Amino acid sequence: QKEVEQDPGPLSVPEGAIVSLNCTYSNSAFQYFMWYRQYSRKGPELLMYTYSSGNKEDGRFTAQVDKSSKYISLFIRDSQPSDSATYLCAMSRNQGGKLIFGQGTELSVKP
Amino acid sequence: GAGVSQSPSNKVTEKGKDVELRCDPISGHTALYWYRQSLGQGLEFLIYFQGNSAPDKSGLPSDRFSAERTGGSVSTLTIQRTQQEDSAVYLCASSYEPGTAYEQYFGPGTRLTVT
Repeated sequence: QKEVEQDPGPLSVPEGAIVSLNCTYSNSAFQYFMWYRQYSRKGPELLMYTYSSGNKEDGRFTAQVDKSSKYISLFIRDSQPSDSATYLCAMSRNQGGKLIFGQGTELSVKP
Repeated sequence: GAGVSQSPSNKVTEKGKDVELRCDPISGHTALYWYRQSLGQGLEFLIYFQGNSAPDKSGLPSDRFSAERTGGSVSTLTIQRTQQEDSAVYLCASSYEPGTAYEQYFGPGTRLTVT
């Protein structure tokens, strides 16, 4: 079993919809939680990071971490066709070192 | 400012040949990471350089893989005697300091195809 599980999708939504992307994990030592966006044939781009449990908002994006359930989410409001990409969750145990990634969820926002 | 750059962007090699992949981190970033992204495996950690400390090589899949970082900046990932299962996108990332692994910035990757 992978340390981080993420539904690969694909997920298709109409423009303007609220998108919910999720990851579960098994290692309770994870403290930092990141979301990356990756366009086709590009490197991952950091969207947000969160330390420990709680919510963090940045524009149309909201990240939530529930450490008690070992569950993290990324919400995208008013989704746009330009949001069409693969979204990767990533986690780390401490401030330094490697990130453990989920498989990525492919999102398509239809105009 | 300039982001992480990697070269070559694409590499096709024959099975059994050696390849070298290069990474130029963001200027001023002291921590550098290599990952591999392949279908079915997702993004996997390979190696991490943290300033002047010994690198964390725990993710290297075999002794055919090695990496070095010269002068605290440019890094080279070398794969010896390439195998078809080495085909993947090799991604490099950097962060400002070792304690900011949660803010890793990735390059565009090198797409390696072993025929």
